[in-house]
Amino acid sequence: AQSVTQLGSHVSVSEGALVLLRCNYSSSVPPYLFWYVQYPNQGLQLLLKYTTGATLVKGINGFEAEFKKSETSFHLTKPSAHMSDAAEYFCAVSDAGGYNKLIFGAGTRLAVHP
Amino acid sequence: GAGVSQSPSNKVTEKGKDVELRCDPISGHTALYWYRQSLGQGLEFLIYFQGNSAPDKSGLPSDRFSAERTGGSVSTLTIQRTQQEDSAVYLCASSLDRGSGSEQYFGPGTRLTVT
Repeated sequence: AQSVTQLGSHVSVSEGALVLLRCNYSSSVPPYLFWYVQYPNQGLQLLLKYTTGATLVKGINGFEAEFKKSETSFHLTKPSAHMSDAAEYFCAVSDAGGYNKLIFGAGTRLAVHP
Repeated sequence: GAGVSQSPSNKVTEKGKDVELRCDPISGHTALYWYRQSLGQGLEFLIYFQGNSAPDKSGLPSDRFSAERTGGSVSTLTIQRTQQEDSAVYLCASSLDRGSGSEQYFGPGTRLTVT
């Protein structure tokens, strides 16, 4: 069975600082991995995804993530945090070859302070 | 173009009543998913539709939950005899097809409160 673990339910950074949100997955098949962001009272928006090919994936709003098979990780980073990045972030894996349903991590709430 | 829409945005109901939640996917999207987001359980998959059929209902928590999709478009999630533990935000998502890695576009959700 596939699963996703996000380390740290809350992360707080200063504006301009590096953002690092951790995600580890478990999958018996090559995974497809996603990061979604949820702003207050809104639905989920895709930040980026990894399917095949280049392991460093760039997404919207300056975010990127690197797929590391040996570490079963897909950490999300952004070099310089902005106040508008404050939101909840979800890492997810889909059942490759199945119906593409998403298995989500518990989420990490990012706070950005001046 | 229009995104995924859901109605109502908020629903308050009394324990034991039935509720219907509606999802309008993006036009042309054949795959449709329902998820539930709750404080205790996080984000969890409920059911998947390909066209009008539901090949994966594995996430429905009990037989009080059912869903249908008509015309390959609108979907309705029905919860019968609601319980307080059904209180959650119900999210609908659609994608162009079910291909692995296909982006799912999410609606804003319906917040259900059972009193």
